[in-house]
Amino acid sequence: DAKTTQPTSMDCAEGRAANLPCNHSTISGNEYVYWYRQIHSQGPQYIIHGLKNNETNEMASLIITEDRKSSTLILPHATLRDTAVYYCIAGGTSYGKLTFGQGTILTVHP
Amino acid sequence: DADVTQTPRNRITKTGKRIMLECSQTKGHDRMYWYRQDPGLGLRLIYYSFDVKDINKGEISDGYSVSRQAQAKFSLSLESAIPNQTALYFCATRATTDTQYFGPGTRLTVL
Repeated sequence: DAKTTQPTSMDCAEGRAANLPCNHSTISGNEYVYWYRQIHSQGPQYIIHGLKNNETNEMASLIITEDRKSSTLILPHATLRDTAVYYCIAGGTSYGKLTFGQGTILTVHP
Repeated sequence: DADVTQTPRNRITKTGKRIMLECSQTKGHDRMYWYRQDPGLGLRLIYYSFDVKDINKGEISDGYSVSRQAQAKFSLSLESAIPNQTALYFCATRATTDTQYFGPGTRLTVL
């Protein structure tokens, strides 16, 4: 897996968009970018993934730069329940192992 | 009902005891995984299985064993539990393109 760099923590006001950045400058051409989150010791929850194009689903949007060296996860209208650790993962091996780093602690406040 | 379930959710045991953690899934995925998570750390892979006849060691398999009883069931055993195996344990199943679905976790404490 490519190494990823995320800020240790971020704050966001409830109702505002949360933009979580991730650097993955060593990502190879066939490696995906995945985002998961973990809410207070629960099982990690899949959010979204992408290869080259921007992606959107009911939870979030994923913006990948044209050179694929970085990406941004966007939660369009953050709620208190979005407070969690957000993990950016670049790669995935042939046997599906995901390498979870330290992630970003997102705190959504009223 | 949850797609990936784990039992027990919490367990306290003593050093030297044999412990089994169980995982069941209703997603129909062939691939299943066991991870552990220690405080402040990411998840580390213990074992993974591509199907009933295929078992593979992950990065920290020492002290653990697994059994894939059926496509839907994947059990993790600690043959002789020790205190540094105190951790959160997660089971996961895999869909396509490495999208994994995780169970709720088992909090294991070894005294």
